Amino acid sequence: SQQGEEDPQALSIQEGENATMNCSYKTSINNLQWYRQNSGRGLVHLILIRSNEREKHSGRLRVTLDTSKKSSSLLITASRAADTASYFCATKVSAGNNRKLIWGLGTSLAVNP
Amino acid sequence: DVKVTQSSRYLVKRTGEKVFLECVQDMDHENMFWYRQDPGLGLRLIYFSYDVKMKEKGDIPEGYSVSREKKERFSLILESASTNQTSMYLCASSNTGTWAGELFFGEGSRLTVL
Repeated sequence: SQQGEEDPQALSIQEGENATMNCSYKTSINNLQWYRQNSGRGLVHLILIRSNEREKHSGRLRVTLDTSKKSSSLLITASRAADTASYFCATKVSAGNNRKLIWGLGTSLAVNP
Repeated sequence: DVKVTQSSRYLVKRTGEKVFLECVQDMDHENMFWYRQDPGLGLRLIYFSYDVKMKEKGDIPEGYSVSREKKERFSLILESASTNQTSMYLCASSNTGTWAGELFFGEGSRLTVL
């Protein structure tokens, strides 16, 4: 079952603009991760935010986590055509000894030059 | 540079054939995973392994089996391929110490079953 739900499903912006993607989840989590996937390729880990963290930065990426709303957002600033990809959130639930991540269906981002 | 290598990027097989998908990682990771990815369904976990010779079913294990004889290698086997197993297959690995953390993915194997 898919716990994470990304919003929007698709996003098209111009180069230089900021892109914001959201992820909602249902149960308590240990951490939330964001991954990127270029078309036809494997996924690449972008950033991990733990349940006791509220914000994290990595280069042009900014991730926020609101555990009270069970949601996270990924902001890509000053987007580039090379940022065109699908972006997925994945959650590690905090209950039990669950080794699995639960994945969202992704946001498809198109950055137009 | 860490690496997860999947043996074939593209495969075309016939219904009923036995299919082997191989995955090798060079990071000495304990955990390895096989996912399939389909449009509109996202990533679904088929099997995972947290140690040599150990395996656990994921969400959709039916029609698949796995083998982990060596730490670095995790194989996915389709005993009798069917058309509904046409998909993108993704292998990933992670360190036990951070098994709730970052996954490293291979480039994927796109399987078409005719």
